[in-house]
Amino acid sequence: GAGVSQSPSNKVTEKGKDVELRCDPISGHTALYWYRQSLGQGLEFLIYFQGNSAPDKSGLPSDRFSAERTGGSVSTLTIQRTQQEDSAVYLCASSLGRGRAANEQFFGPGTRLTVL
Amino acid sequence: AQKITQTQPGMFVQEKEAVTLDCTYDTSDPSYGLFWYKQPSSGEMIFLIYQGSYDQQNATEGRYSLNFQKARKSANLVISASQLGDSAMYFCAMAASGGYNKLIFGAGTRLAVHP
Repeated sequence: GAGVSQSPSNKVTEKGKDVELRCDPISGHTALYWYRQSLGQGLEFLIYFQGNSAPDKSGLPSDRFSAERTGGSVSTLTIQRTQQEDSAVYLCASSLGRGRAANEQFFGPGTRLTVL
Repeated sequence: AQKITQTQPGMFVQEKEAVTLDCTYDTSDPSYGLFWYKQPSSGEMIFLIYQGSYDQQNATEGRYSLNFQKARKSANLVISASQLGDSAMYFCAMAASGGYNKLIFGAGTRLAVHP
């Protein structure tokens, strides 16, 4: 079946502009995660959605970052007034969200964001 | 605070040999999970193996095994019979207790397999 998809695959924007990144999780996965990977670094947790529960936003680096998940499926990560330090690959992952199977997070291909 | 440490920025191994990638972790939670992911140059993150803190036996998945030493807080990945396609970045990660709602990643180890 289809894996996690993300769009766009690449995004180049100017400093100060807003950007929206989209994630389509695997059908039936109730948990959805956003991570950020700066060049040559490990992944940094941003936000987590589980079903209808309030999201865990503890990893969002500033109030310029926000995310929503509509209908328990597609998620959009929005970065307002982008800064050069926001340049990174933004990865989305989904999991079954319950039981031992929740341990395996399936990652999308990522969106490479470049802020000029 | 939870933390993952990977002290080997780069490793190389001869094809068909075994290699161990180190990972140590720090947490005060009694319940946690440890993961290894592979990231080839294409950028995708590929799940390799999982070890729960209460699992009695070390996890194995094909050529991958996890050497879990709880007292030492280490979770090293062992790749047996290395193949050229194993060349990639390898990340160790930990999930906190209370529902495993996020992964904390180490900085990664770049593995190069030489023919």
